[in-house]
Order: sequence, then C-alpha cells, then structure tokens
Amino acid sequence: DVKVTQSSRYLVKRTGEKVFLECVQDMDHENMFWYRQDPGLGLRLIYFSYDVKMKEKGDIPEGYSVSREKKERFSLILESASTNQTSMYLCASSLSRGGEQYFGPGTRLTVT
Amino acid sequence: RKEVEQDPGPFNVPEGATVAFNCTYSNSASQSFFWYRQDCRKEPKLLMSVYSSGNEDGRFTAQLNRASQYISLLIRDSKLSDSATYLCVVKRDGGFKTIFGAGTRLFVKA
Repeated sequence: DVKVTQSSRYLVKRTGEKVFLECVQDMDHENMFWYRQDPGLGLRLIYFSYDVKMKEKGDIPEGYSVSREKKERFSLILESASTNQTSMYLCASSLSRGGEQYFGPGTRLTVT
Repeated sequence: RKEVEQDPGPFNVPEGATVAFNCTYSNSASQSFFWYRQDCRKEPKLLMSVYSSGNEDGRFTAQLNRASQYISLLIRDSKLSDSATYLCVVKRDGGFKTIFGAGTRLFVKA
C-alpha cells in the first residue's frame, strides 16, 4: 500500500520562526511536491522535485525553500514564518510527472 | 481569471440522484486531465483519469471536450458515501505543471 507521511498533523508557530515540514514516501517515487490549500483557492503548488537534489519553483515559491537530500524525503522550509502562511500544507509524490499523485495527510500550520 | 475553474457548489442531492459537475480550463496546451476526490479533513485521492474518448468507472463517467475546453464528471445513483469535494486537475508542460481547481462540494442526503 502506498504511503506518504508528514511529520506533523498540526503545528503552531510564531511570526519570524523558522519552520520545517517533513515529508517521506515509501514508494521509490522520483517526483515529490509541496502544495498549500486554502479555502476558495484550491491547491497551489509551492515547489516540486523530480530527482534528488533537484528542485523547481511552483506557482507560489516566495517565502519558502525546499530540500531533497534523499529520494524518499522532501522538506519544506519557511525561513521566517508569517501570518499569511497559515494554511494546510500537503505533500505528494508520483512515479511519473504526468501520473497519479499520492498525498500525505497534510499539516495544518497556524502562524500567530 | 483562474486557469481551472469549477462551480464551488455545494450541490445538495438526494440518494439515488444523478449529478454532474463541469470544469473549464483556459490553457489550450493542457495535456492530461483528472478528477480527484477529497473527503472532509482528508487528503485528495485520485478518482479517475479523463480520456478524450470519455471513460466510465462504475457509477462515474468522465468526459473531455477539448474544443470547448471543459471536462465533466457524472455520478449516477448517488450514495451517501459520495459526499465529498471533487477536484478537477489539469496537467501540461510534460507534466511539470499541475493545476488544481478549487473543488465542487457535494452533499448526498438520505
């Protein structure tokens, strides 16, 4: 059974803190993605990676960075959290770029 | 204007009803199309891919109209368990670009 796990389901951080969101997949997938989901806006792509140490900006990369040191792990970093980064963060992976994406359960981040 | 647009609903239908959702996309270079389902407080999961010739999976039928740039999802004989948000997904640029619609909420009532 495919599995994508995220380090936390709920997270509360203060403005200005550095925040790390971790995602791990056990399917040996090449491609991994980070999205945020906000009411009325749907899922928006922040960053994706199609190989170890490779990364590409998505639609809303500002204020975020990513790291992919190992194939199974893709980390999202908020360098200095702000209140407008309060959101649901979803990680996904896929075998091929055009194929089905498998999502993790999400991390609901609140920045106060 | 959003690249992928869906009617947010909600659609409230009785059990057994037939319901249809439409989704329009604005970029004619879009290459592949999907419907995902997202239950309340859960992650999205693939419901079905959408092929040019149309395709069916049990009570679900998906259609693609490239000329008019829309895709549709038809659900027949609705069940209570069909209550969810349905997300329209479009891919282009060789799969590098994935665009999700904001979703259509469906409530099926007894």
